[in-house]
Amino acid sequence: DAMVIQNPRYQVTQFGKPVTLSCSQTLNHNVMYWYQQKSSQAPKLLFHYYDKDFNNEADTPDNFQSRRPNTSFCFLDIRSPGLGDAAMYLCATSPGRRGGTDTQYFGPGTRLTVL
Amino acid sequence: AQSVTQLGSHVSVSEGALVLLRCNYSSSVPPYLFWYVQYPNQGLQLLLKYTSAATLVKGINGFEAEFKKSETSFHLTKPSAHMSDAAEYFCAVSDQAGTALIFGKGTTLSVSS
Repeated sequence: DAMVIQNPRYQVTQFGKPVTLSCSQTLNHNVMYWYQQKSSQAPKLLFHYYDKDFNNEADTPDNFQSRRPNTSFCFLDIRSPGLGDAAMYLCATSPGRRGGTDTQYFGPGTRLTVL
Repeated sequence: AQSVTQLGSHVSVSEGALVLLRCNYSSSVPPYLFWYVQYPNQGLQLLLKYTSAATLVKGINGFEAEFKKSETSFHLTKPSAHMSDAAEYFCAVSDQAGTALIFGKGTTLSVSS
């Protein structure tokens, strides 16, 4: 089945220690997104790639970076995690149809704990 | 700018009862609206979406939603709740560029037997 895969499902890191979260997709979608979802809150978009074009949300901290080496993979790098970065990180993909009708398909998420 | 407001952070129903989850939107352009469901420690799954083709949208698992422009609403309903419907439900609107989703704060649905 075509899907969005996130690894690992649970990640524990130490305060200030860089961490990388991984997302891969078999849907061959053009667009890949990273959302941050804190406990009991709505998902918040951090950034997205439309093909190779990177689009950062204005309020995404510089501590968060992303890489998309090819169509299938996208990575979220947190350079110096703080306690406030503990959250569920959701990866999503969409075909890339302009105009608002695109459906986003979500992975299962990676729950990040910062000690 | 687009936004959605979900009325009621927590809704409790009995098994077999009607489910009604409320969502109101604000948009300066014709909106594209979505309902997603999230089970504990899982990602979001699309229930249904409105893209202006029909005002009554049918989704998966027996859910449906009606777009009412005059009320700026897109409420989610299901005639008969099942225990497996217990989850977090998010209403979302697509931003003007058509790329990002703007989510409401979510409504937790509890179903009792």
